[in-house]
Amino acid sequence: EPEVTQTPSHQVTQMGQEVILRCVPISNHLYFYWYRQILGQKVEFLVSFYNNEISEKSEIFDDQFSVERPDGSNFTLKIRSTKLEDSAMYFCASSPLPSGGAEEQYFGPGTRLTVT
Amino acid sequence: QKEVEQNSGPLSVPEGAIASLNCTYSDRVSQSFFWYRQYSGKSPELIMSIYSNGDKEDGRFTAQLNKASQYVSLLIRDSQPSDSATYLCAVWTGFQKLVFGTGTRLLVSP
Repeated sequence: EPEVTQTPSHQVTQMGQEVILRCVPISNHLYFYWYRQILGQKVEFLVSFYNNEISEKSEIFDDQFSVERPDGSNFTLKIRSTKLEDSAMYFCASSPLPSGGAEEQYFGPGTRLTVT
Repeated sequence: QKEVEQNSGPLSVPEGAIASLNCTYSDRVSQSFFWYRQYSGKSPELIMSIYSNGDKEDGRFTAQLNKASQYVSLLIRDSQPSDSATYLCAVWTGFQKLVFGTGTRLLVSP
């Protein structure tokens, strides 16, 4: 069964460093998302991406964050200058069709980011 | 005002019983509703989706939606210890994102 994959599974970085989290969405999916979950808290939306553009972003997704689909398979989240409060589990998700709403999102296993 | 509300639990049920998980949402224009299961340290796993008022059944799971009351629920029949997890209610608000509740922790005792 196709699945979303993410690398690395765990990333430790120092405050102020740049990190890139990588995702390979399910191959025939067209909508891509990033969510994060701080330990013990709820899953929070960061950004959605379709047709090489950001469709929607949350207030969390400030200028320190960017997303990119550098090739036909990868979808990346970059944090330019990490802060302690960026420590969280980051989930990539994808959905099959562009109509939105009724399309089910499938989540990858996540990358645990630890900022020290 | 919280957009999606769930009782954090834990909800404890004995093996074989029916577990009932509830969720309310604040945005009346919400169109689509999803239940995810999340084991500790793992990612959300989609269990059910529901778009129309009424019941939708899939195996041991039944999702119920009442848009007038802005209420969605998940019933798990014949609960098993392996069902012990946090159940996340997620709502699609039409702005290209899912809004999640905090989740209800379910404990099924053998």
